[in-house]
Amino acid sequence: GENVEQHPSTLSVQEGDSAVIKCTYSDSASNYFPWYKQELGKRPQLIIDIRSNVGEKKDQRIAVTLNKTAKHFSLHITETQPEDSAVYFCAALRGSSYKLIFGSGTRLLVRP
Amino acid sequence: EAGVVQSPRYKIIEKKQPVAFWCNPISGHNTLYWYLQNLGQGPELLIRYENEEAVDDSQLPKDRFSAERLKGVDSTLKIQPAELGDSAVYLCASSFRDPGELFFGEGSRLTVL
Repeated sequence: GENVEQHPSTLSVQEGDSAVIKCTYSDSASNYFPWYKQELGKRPQLIIDIRSNVGEKKDQRIAVTLNKTAKHFSLHITETQPEDSAVYFCAALRGSSYKLIFGSGTRLLVRP
Repeated sequence: EAGVVQSPRYKIIEKKQPVAFWCNPISGHNTLYWYLQNLGQGPELLIRYENEEAVDDSQLPKDRFSAERLKGVDSTLKIQPAELGDSAVYLCASSFRDPGELFFGEGSRLTVL
């Protein structure tokens, strides 16, 4: 089955700096890769996603890159702000099973 | 538009007691999921419904967990009897299509004493 590994588990950056979170997946048939943000005590919310026919996707300060050959994808946040502080989860889905497997999460702290 | 609604938000019970969680998905979302989230971990799928049919319950511990979605709208997840290790947040989510964005509820935090 699918396995998703996420690094780092914690990340502390200065406000204005960039943050990068990386995930690897094991199932080469996975074709959908969303990223969720979860603030303390809140529900996870989708912030960006990418499908396997695209190598990169950008939405304002957030971008995701996908390397299908190496089976890894990354979340890039530029010009970080204190409100970006949260736990970020990557996930991978195999289209045939529709089972979304989440990584273990990265706790991002943006220091003002 | 109302989001995914879950209740109760918090539940404290003693081990061996039963507990039930309720979820009302976003109107029009045919796919409903129950996830388990342990502290410091990502959500893990317990069961997925397409309308009233459970299409993936491979991760549901069927000896003590059960779920239903009788009319293809709201759903109930039950644990009987609860064990100490069941303490976690139980998240319900719904989606309009697969694969697509999952809309999560606020979760039901269970503490088993």
